[in-house]
Amino acid sequence: DVKVTQSSRYLVKRTGEKVFLECVQDMDHENMFWYRQDPGLGLRLIYFSYDVKMKEKGDIPEGYSVSREKKERFSLILESASTNQTSMYLCASSSKTSPGYFGPGTRLTVL
Amino acid sequence: AQKVTQAQTEISVVEKEDVTLDCVYETRDTTYYLFWYKQPPSGELVFLIRRNSFDEQNEISGRYSWNFQKSTSSFNFTITASQVVDSAVYFCALSDGPYSSASKIIFGSGTRLSIRP
Repeated sequence: DVKVTQSSRYLVKRTGEKVFLECVQDMDHENMFWYRQDPGLGLRLIYFSYDVKMKEKGDIPEGYSVSREKKERFSLILESASTNQTSMYLCASSSKTSPGYFGPGTRLTVL
Repeated sequence: AQKVTQAQTEISVVEKEDVTLDCVYETRDTTYYLFWYKQPPSGELVFLIRRNSFDEQNEISGRYSWNFQKSTSSFNFTITASQVVDSAVYFCALSDGPYSSASKIIFGSGTRLSIRP
């Protein structure tokens, strides 16, 4: 059974804090993605990675960075959280032969 | 540029009715993939189908069917004899290649489907 896990389902942080969102997949997928989901805007791609230590900007990378030191793990970093980063964050992984499978999401609130 | 449009923001039907969710896409690529995902109230996105650009054959899976038409750049999703458990937000998505290093999945804004008992 395919699995993408995210470190937290709910997270509350304060403005200016550094925030780490972790994503782990057990399917040996090459590609991993971070999206944010906001009402009326659908899913917007923040960053994606197609290999270890490789990353590419998505449509809304500002205010975020990522890290992929191991194939199974893709971290999203908010260097200095702001209230406009309050959102649902979804991680996904895929490969040449497998479509994108998503984790359960992390609902982040920045106060 | 790639784009996916789901013009229907919300749809509400009575149980057992058939319902079609529309999806229109834009891409300059000749090779691409189209997807449908379901997001139930629990929040997790569930993969439903993937279709590549060279395969225009319609697909049926139980009560679900998909109509892919390249001529109109559409990939519509029909639920036959809808059930309350079908209530969810449905997303159409587009990927520009077979998961190559350049591929990324672009999503539409979603259609919220409510099935009334």
